[in-house]
Amino acid sequence: DQQVKQNSPSLSVQEGRISILNCDYTNSMFDYFLWYKKYPAEGPTFLISISSIKDKNEDGRFTVFLNKSAKHLSLHIVPSQPGDSAVYFCAASAQSSGSARQLTFGSGTQLTVLP
Amino acid sequence: NAGVTQTPKFQVLKTGQSMTLQCAQDMNHNSMYWYRQDPGMGLRLIYYSASEGTTDKGEVPNGYNVSRLNKREFSLRLESAAPSQTSVYFCASKVQSGNNQPQHFGDGTRLSIL
Repeated sequence: DQQVKQNSPSLSVQEGRISILNCDYTNSMFDYFLWYKKYPAEGPTFLISISSIKDKNEDGRFTVFLNKSAKHLSLHIVPSQPGDSAVYFCAASAQSSGSARQLTFGSGTQLTVLP
Repeated sequence: NAGVTQTPKFQVLKTGQSMTLQCAQDMNHNSMYWYRQDPGMGLRLIYYSASEGTTDKGEVPNGYNVSRLNKREFSLRLESAAPSQTSVYFCASKVQSGNNQPQHFGDGTRLSIL
C-alpha cells in the first residue's frame, strides 16, 4: 500500500515553460514534505521542503504547494531549464515512536525539459 | 566536501555470497540510513540508526544486517545474497533523527546478484 504516490512516471515540457509535478499521500500523520532531484548515477539531492503548517514555500524557480485537505502537493518549476531534466521524488515524514522520523518516498517522475 | 561516501560503487555477486556495503559521512550527523531503489519504485528504507549505538528496522529489513561502527560509519551487510537483492543501495545521513531537516544521500552502490 503506497502511502506516497506520484502517478505520472514522466513529464515533458518546453524550455521556459512551467513544469508541474504532482504527489498524493494517504497518511494524515505526515507533517513534513520534501522534493528530491536525482540525476543518473548520482544520489538524490534535496530540492525544497514544506511543513504542514504552511501551504506554500518558494525558493527561486521552485515552489511547493501543499493542499492538506486533498492530501496533495505539487512542485512548480518556472521557468524550466534543460538542466532541470532529472527524476523528481516526493517524500513525506511523520513523527514515529522514539521521536525518530523516517521518509516515505514516491516512485518518482522523470522530467524532460526540451530545448 | 565529501558529504556521504559509499563504497564500492558497483559490485557483482553470485547467489549465496556475502558482502558489506560501506558508508561514511563527514558532516557530524547523528542519524544514518540505508535505502534500496528498484526500477519504478521509490526509495525504501532498509535500516536506520537514529544515533551512534542504535539501529532499527525500516520497511524492508529481511536479508540484511547493519552496524553503526562509530558516528561516521554505517555499514550494510548481505549475509547470503539473493537475486531479489539486486538493486541500487543508497546511504543517507541527517543531523538529528527527530527534526524536520532533509537527509543527504551518497551516490549509491549498484549491486547485481547472479
